[in-house]
Amino acid sequence: EVQLVQAGAEVKKPGESLKISCEGVGYIFTRYWIGWVRQMPGKGLEWMALISPGDSDTRYNPSFQGQVTISADKSISTTYLQWGSLKASDTAIYYCARRGPQERTFDLWGQGTLVTVSS
Amino acid sequence: DIVMTQTPLSSPVTLGQPASISCRSSQSLVNSDGNTYLSWLQQRPGQPPRLLIYKVSSRFSGVPDRFSGSGAGTDFTLKISRVEAEDVGLYYCMQATQFPYTFGQGTKLEIK
Repeated sequence: EVQLVQAGAEVKKPGESLKISCEGVGYIFTRYWIGWVRQMPGKGLEWMALISPGDSDTRYNPSFQGQVTISADKSISTTYLQWGSLKASDTAIYYCARRGPQERTFDLWGQGTLVTVSS
Repeated sequence: DIVMTQTPLSSPVTLGQPASISCRSSQSLVNSDGNTYLSWLQQRPGQPPRLLIYKVSSRFSGVPDRFSGSGAGTDFTLKISRVEAEDVGLYYCMQATQFPYTFGQGTKLEIK
């Protein structure tokens, strides 16, 4: 089955670091870009960053540039999103999503990782 | 950034009746390659988003044909010909013509 697999939840304290993952299963991982989308509690969707796993070409939303880092390890078909120092305002669900090269849309979504940052 | 504005923000609909959601962009979504990268996504309660429509009017695999998309330039519409109970949720338009990709605020579809 074609899917993006994400861990369920993370609980962290302010100031801690975090790296969440998204594994592509059932398709040729390097053929599609992977994006990360934030959904804060009760709010809408915000695109954060995009990576081409084949060559690690990246694009960032300026609103998130410098706050997070996107990376990929094509040998294990996995994309990552990481924070160096979390804030309470980073509390949200983070979805990874696959973007096709031609259609330029997010055609496959992970289940999301709920990140809770609280002291 | 391109601002995506959806109307209405809430849409109470009777089962079996049609529904329509509008999305307007702050600038044209026609890309230099001639394509218009406007998508519609559905998010059911407690679920991740799901792609319905891409490039304005192309229905994604497995999406029922009661969903259709139309529009051009800066004005786009998602139509549901006959609303079913499983259609309840949030609907988002999204543009991928220009970085950063941006979403509309979301429209909540609910049953009357």
